[in-house]
Amino acid sequence: NAGVMQNPRHLVRRRGQEARLRCSPMKGHSHVYWYRQLPEEGLKFMVYLQKENIIDESGMPKERFSAEFPKEGPSILRIQQVVRGDSAAYFCASSKSEEETQYFGPGTRLLVL
Amino acid sequence: KQEVTQIPAALSVPEGENLVLNCSFTDSAIYNLQWFRQDPGKGLTSLLLIQSSQREQTSGRLNASLDKSSGRSTLYIAASQPGDSATYLCAVLVSGGSYIPTFGRGTSLIVHP
Repeated sequence: NAGVMQNPRHLVRRRGQEARLRCSPMKGHSHVYWYRQLPEEGLKFMVYLQKENIIDESGMPKERFSAEFPKEGPSILRIQQVVRGDSAAYFCASSKSEEETQYFGPGTRLLVL
Repeated sequence: KQEVTQIPAALSVPEGENLVLNCSFTDSAIYNLQWFRQDPGKGLTSLLLIQSSQREQTSGRLNASLDKSSGRSTLYIAASQPGDSATYLCAVLVSGGSYIPTFGRGTSLIVHP
């Protein structure tokens, strides 16, 4: 049973471009969480999704950021018109249900030039 | 709002020492507390999960304790090894709320031979 998969592992974008980060949850997991880790800071929650639904997006910036978890395929975190401050590690986690332990992926390191 | 603090922020010790990493939280109404390990450039690996009704959990050379009344948890690492070098993160889940954990900033540990 493969763990949580994230791709790409590293992503370089120039200011103003779009970044698309993908997360495939563990088999049998229908709950996905996205976190951001800025240098020298802890993980900060961004958004919690179930299949085709956003459950909690209280941690996600209102502009430029969006997330989806379609019925088929991976969850996508999309950042439009990236700025240097978006440079961070973005982690995805998945769980069977919201009460169950979250399992983390290896992260995507985004660098905005 | 739950706040999680980890002390020390960084620790460098010689191989063989017994270590104590500290985690404190402001809201004692927790559902569980989890300790993670993060290697450089990698994702998070769950080490120990303590439910609110438990006082401690053990796995190999690791022992985690929980004192809800004082808002503290400690991670004890016995006979440290260079392979233990990593960042250790504490995450707290609050009772009765959403199942989104609050993370501390971590303790960066280096065990030198």
